[in-house]
Amino acid sequence: DAGVIQSPRHEVTEMGQEVTLRCKPISGHNSLFWYRQTMMRGLELLIYFNNNVPIDDSGMPEDRFSAKMPNASFSTLKIQPSEPRDSAVYFCASSITRGEQYFGPGTRLTVT
Amino acid sequence: AQTVTQSQPEMSVQEAETVTLSCTYDTSENNYYLFWYKQPPSRQMILVIRQEAYKQQNATENRFSVNFQKAAKSFSLKISDSQLGDTAMYFCAFIEPNTGNQFYFGTGTSLTVIP
Repeated sequence: DAGVIQSPRHEVTEMGQEVTLRCKPISGHNSLFWYRQTMMRGLELLIYFNNNVPIDDSGMPEDRFSAKMPNASFSTLKIQPSEPRDSAVYFCASSITRGEQYFGPGTRLTVT
Repeated sequence: AQTVTQSQPEMSVQEAETVTLSCTYDTSENNYYLFWYKQPPSRQMILVIRQEAYKQQNATENRFSVNFQKAAKSFSLKISDSQLGDTAMYFCAFIEPNTGNQFYFGTGTSLTVIP
């Protein structure tokens, strides 16, 4: 298995632009998680899905952030409009019920 | 509230020595799973070891072992024969299957192995 796949690996954009991060979970996993990691705030859970349904989005910073999971093999995290404070590494992870999470390589986002 | 506390922000150890990273957690559930993750400079999050709360025997994976004290809600990670490649951030985490699939992570311990 290729593991959790994230794209792009690096993204540099200007303030105000729309950013879309993509994730392909491990086949057969029924849960998907989006995290944000910064030096100041550490690892934060943004949202997670069970069987493609959003379960907890309380970690989503504000309305500028949205996440979708149209099917079991694909999810997106969108930021519109982006701001410099959104600069971080964004991780996607997947798991089976009661299982450990497997993380993707992360997307390093820089908003100038 | 579910919390995970890693009280050692930074630690260092001489190569080939043993080091123990501490972790405490808070939960009212009896059924849960505990994990240690490693994040090297490459930033990839890698699962190191897993412990089921119902198991009394401490988990072991090669040079990595845990000391699981359920009553004390303590879950420390011992790294034996430390190697330079062990230099990384280490995160403690747990999950309560009965309340969902959400992981609760600690703030991490940065470990440096000194040659």
